[in-house]
Amino acid sequence: GEDVEQSLFLSVREGDSSVINCTYTDSSSTYLYWYKQEPGAGLQLLTYIFSNMDMKQDQRLTVLLNKKDKHLSLRIADTQTGDSAIYFCAESINRDDKIIFGKGTRLHILP
Amino acid sequence: EADIYQTPRYLVIGTGKKITLECSQTMGHDKMYWYQQDPGMELHLIHYSYGVNSTEKGDLSSESTVSRIRTEHFPLTLESARPSHTSQYLCASSESWTNYGYTFGSGTRLTVV
Repeated sequence: GEDVEQSLFLSVREGDSSVINCTYTDSSSTYLYWYKQEPGAGLQLLTYIFSNMDMKQDQRLTVLLNKKDKHLSLRIADTQTGDSAIYFCAESINRDDKIIFGKGTRLHILP
Repeated sequence: EADIYQTPRYLVIGTGKKITLECSQTMGHDKMYWYQQDPGMELHLIHYSYGVNSTEKGDLSSESTVSRIRTEHFPLTLESARPSHTSQYLCASSESWTNYGYTFGSGTRLTVV
């Protein structure tokens, strides 16, 4: 079945890099996504990667995709207090034309 | 500016009341979705629509109902609110081809007392 797994919590010191990991089960996924949710808000699409890519970089964000292991990661360089949020990993399932979300990783920034 | 709007942002209501949560988008998206979000963060799909006059139930059973009379509008109704309905409700939309992801509204936090 379709499933997206990610750890629930991550604590990182301000200025360090944060790495949020995700695994998915459906090998037919075409796009994989990272969403950010700040307190009291909806989900904001941060970045997405097509399944035939290995890496995508956008300013402080780096997405790495290992399709063989079905593993996706989001690296945030120079983590700042404004990065404190819940990060959701998600995959698109073409045959169902829907997006499956993980349970979210709460990123906590230590001073 | 193209966006998706949810009203109200916060709602406190008594048990047994009928409520409608509003969701509108100005992007011309065919597909719209309602999610219920636990305090523990997990998202549960409760309803979705692929276009006008199309509505489907999601993965999580819900006592709510939805309608899609206009492309831009996808309201969610609870006929008789109960404390178990207390949650955050998120509306989202996407183009016909969903690969570019969903656009989410800011959510409605509902408290039933």
